This record gives sequence, C-alpha cells and structure tokens, in this order.
Amino acid sequence: EAGVTQFPSHSVIEKGQTVTLRCDPISGHDNLYWYRRVMGKEIKFLLHFVKESKQDESGMPNNRFLAERTGGTYSTLKVQPAELEDSGVYFCASSQGTRIGEKLFFGSGTQLSVL
Amino acid sequence: ILNVEQSPQSLHVQEGDSTNFTCSFPSSNFYALHWYRWETAKSPEALFVMTLNGDEKKKGRISATLNTKEGYSYLYIKGSQPEDSATYLCACSGSARQLTFGSGTQLTVLP
Repeated sequence: EAGVTQFPSHSVIEKGQTVTLRCDPISGHDNLYWYRRVMGKEIKFLLHFVKESKQDESGMPNNRFLAERTGGTYSTLKVQPAELEDSGVYFCASSQGTRIGEKLFFGSGTQLSVL
Repeated sequence: ILNVEQSPQSLHVQEGDSTNFTCSFPSSNFYALHWYRWETAKSPEALFVMTLNGDEKKKGRISATLNTKEGYSYLYIKGSQPEDSATYLCACSGSARQLTFGSGTQLTVLP
C-alpha cells in the first residue's frame, strides 16, 4: 500500500513567485492535514480537510496560502506570492478517522526555499 | 493552546548505551500523546500513540511511558544502535485533534 506522497520533494523559488505543493494521501483516508516546519522550529499545524471540506484552517498564517482538496482525494497548497519567511518543510499527513489516539501518517515533505 | 517541551534538544551516545528523553505537556485538555521518529528527507514514522495515564508501549528496543497527571512522557531506547540516529518528535492532541509538536530530540549514536 502506498504511503502519503508529496510532490515536489524540493522547490527553490524567488520571492514574489508562486509555488504549488501537492499531496496524495493514503487511499481511503478522508482526513488530510498540512503541517510545516520553518527555520528549524517545531512542526506546526496549518489546516485539516475532511474529504473536500476544510474542517480547521486555524493554522494558516495569512491569505497568501490557499489549500484545496477538490473531489476529496489529493490536495494542493499554493503560496502566492511567496515570501522569504515561507521557507521550510511542508508536510502532509492523512488518517482514516479522527478518533482519539488515531495515528497520522506523514509524507516525506516538500522542502521549500524562497530566495 | 498546548505547549509541548522536549529535552534534551540533542544527545550523543555510544553504540550499546541505553538512553531516554522527555516530553512534557500541559495535563489539562490532553487527549493523546504521539511519538515519531524522523530522519531528514524522510517521512516522520509513527512509533507510539498513548492516551491513558500509565500507558506503556514497546516496539523492539524502544519503549515509552505516559503520565497524564503530571504531564510527561518518556521514550527509552535500549542498547542504542547507529541506525537509531534520528530526531524523535513528541506531539500532543487536545480537543481540536490537531497535533502540537515539540521541537524534537536529535539523537546521534556513535559507532
């Protein structure tokens, strides 16, 4: 069974450009999460989808970030325009449900560098 | 908002040594404690999820305990091997279900 896959693994862009990250969750997982780790700090929550609906987007830093999950399958996270402080590792995770103690399965992340 | 602390920040041990590290969290609004093992450029690997006070979990040479009343969890590695070198992440979930991560403990096992 394939795990959570993310594309691209690395992206280097200039300040002001647009970047779109993609996440394919484990098949059958309704719950999809985006997290990010910036400047070597803690991994922080961005948002949570249940199928195609945004369940919780309280971690989205500002309106330059747009996440979508059309059809409830894969998800994209677009940063437009990118700023220097957006550099970091963007992780996607998925889970089947949201019961207490349910494991989240993470992808290997997209390393974003904004120059 | 949960505040999760991990210590130490980094640790070097000799092959064969046993080691442990700590994760502390607020005991109020606690639902679950997750431990992950993460190597750079790879997926964080789920090790354990614990929910009940006194929980103990074991996977090979790695084990973990949970004390929800005092707000801490220990991760133990017995007989460390070089392949155990990684960053060990602790994360808690509260009523919001999102995970709040600590900054991790970076373990280096020297051959």
